[in-house]
Amino acid sequence: AQSVTQLDSHVSVSEGTPVLLRCNYSSSYSPSLFWYVQHPNKGLQLLLKYTSAATLVKGINGFEAEFKKSETSFHLTKPSAHMSDAAEYFCVVSPMVDQTGANNLFFGTGTRLTVIP
Amino acid sequence: ETGVTQTPRHLVMGMTNKKSLKCEQHLGHNAMYWYKQSAKKPLELMFVYSLEERVENNSVPSRFSPECPNSSHLFLHLHTLQPEDSALYLCASSQALIRGRGTDTQYFGPGTRLTVL
Repeated sequence: AQSVTQLDSHVSVSEGTPVLLRCNYSSSYSPSLFWYVQHPNKGLQLLLKYTSAATLVKGINGFEAEFKKSETSFHLTKPSAHMSDAAEYFCVVSPMVDQTGANNLFFGTGTRLTVIP
Repeated sequence: ETGVTQTPRHLVMGMTNKKSLKCEQHLGHNAMYWYKQSAKKPLELMFVYSLEERVENNSVPSRFSPECPNSSHLFLHLHTLQPEDSALYLCASSQALIRGRGTDTQYFGPGTRLTVL
């Protein structure tokens, strides 16, 4: 079975300070893992993706995430927060595709990031 | 822009109305998805089409009816909805892959904000 737990529903940081958004996953298979960001009234935008290559994945806008199999974690980090980073962030796990070729995504409940000027 | 468009962006309808949501992808993908995003809940996968065949229907009420006339277009037909159906409806697309060969990224549209009165 697949599931995702985002440990914080809301994170608040000051501009210029580091960001840490935590995610733990459960998967019966070797999963792919994603982080998506959603700005207000917008769709989901892919930040980064892990697919069993390098365990440290770099994404857009200075974000990166590290896959730690022993801890079943995939935390999202950024060294210095910017005002434009304020948004909702979703951790997502996806098992291997099924026989139809489509892949099912399992979403966490999201973490709302607030950046204080 | 993500290459996935959705219309309308906002829709208000009464419980007796019939309306349709439209999604179009310009990415050359052949799998398309409908999700429902409600406040405080994880994204819920509603329907999946892969190679124009419906492959997933997660116990969605029959008042929601999907249609995929070709690999670029996806519709969600709505009739006799309930107020609890008010939500953001997101469309996504991906490349369908051979089973076991990995998973491909889903690209999301901006969503349709639906309000049922």
